[in-house]
Amino acid sequence: KAGVTQTPRYLIKTRGQQVTLSCSPISGHRSVSWYQQTPGQGLQFLFEYFSETQRNKGNFPGRFSGRQFSNSRSEMNVSTLELGDSALYLCASSFSLAADTQYFGPGTRLTVL
Amino acid sequence: GIQVEQSPPDLILQEGANSTLRCNFSDSVNNLQWFHQNPWGQLINLFYIPSGTKQNGRLSATTVATERYSLLYISSSQTTDSGVYFCAVQTGANNLFFGTGTRLTVIP
Repeated sequence: KAGVTQTPRYLIKTRGQQVTLSCSPISGHRSVSWYQQTPGQGLQFLFEYFSETQRNKGNFPGRFSGRQFSNSRSEMNVSTLELGDSALYLCASSFSLAADTQYFGPGTRLTVL
Repeated sequence: GIQVEQSPPDLILQEGANSTLRCNFSDSVNNLQWFHQNPWGQLINLFYIPSGTKQNGRLSATTVATERYSLLYISSSQTTDSGVYFCAVQTGANNLFFGTGTRLTVIP
C-alpha cells in the first residue's frame, strides 16, 4: 500500500498571504489529522477529519482551517500568514477514530517571510 | 491536558552501545506510540504499545500503563538510528499528545 502523501513538500510565502496544503491518506483510511511542528512548541495537534466532518480540534486560531473530501483526501488552509506559522506541517491517517495507530506523511515545510 | 515527558533530552552513543529512552505521562491513556523522526522530518512508526512489551529487531518497547511510563530500548546502536525519538499518547480521541523527544546521536 502506498503511504500517506503530502504536497507540496516545501513552500515559501510572505506575511499576509494564505496557503493550502494537501494530504492523501493511506488507501482505506478515513481519518486524517494535521499536526504542526515548531522548534519552540514541538508537535501540536491542529484538527482531525473523518467522513468529511471535523471531529476534533486543537487550540489554534480560526486562521487555521481544513476540509476533507469524499475520497478522504484532506486539505488544510492557513489564512493571513504570520511569521510564527513557519513550521513543518504533518498529516497523519488512521483507519478509525478510536485511538487508532496513526501513520504520518513526509510533511510540508512552510516558511513565512 | 495530559503531560508527556521524555528523558533524556539528548543522548550521544558510540556505535554498538545500548540505550534506554523513557516516556512518562501524567494521566491514563488508551494508546501509546513510539516514533523515529528522520532527518527529513518524517515520523516513522516504531511501536503501537498501550501496554506490555514488544520487540522488533534491535528495538523493543515496554509500557507499564498502571505506572504511567514507557521505555524504548535500542540495542547494538547504528549510525542510522540517529534522529529524534518521540513518544505520543492518546486519551480516548484519536489525536496524539507528543512528548518533547529524545535526540539520539550515534557516533561511528
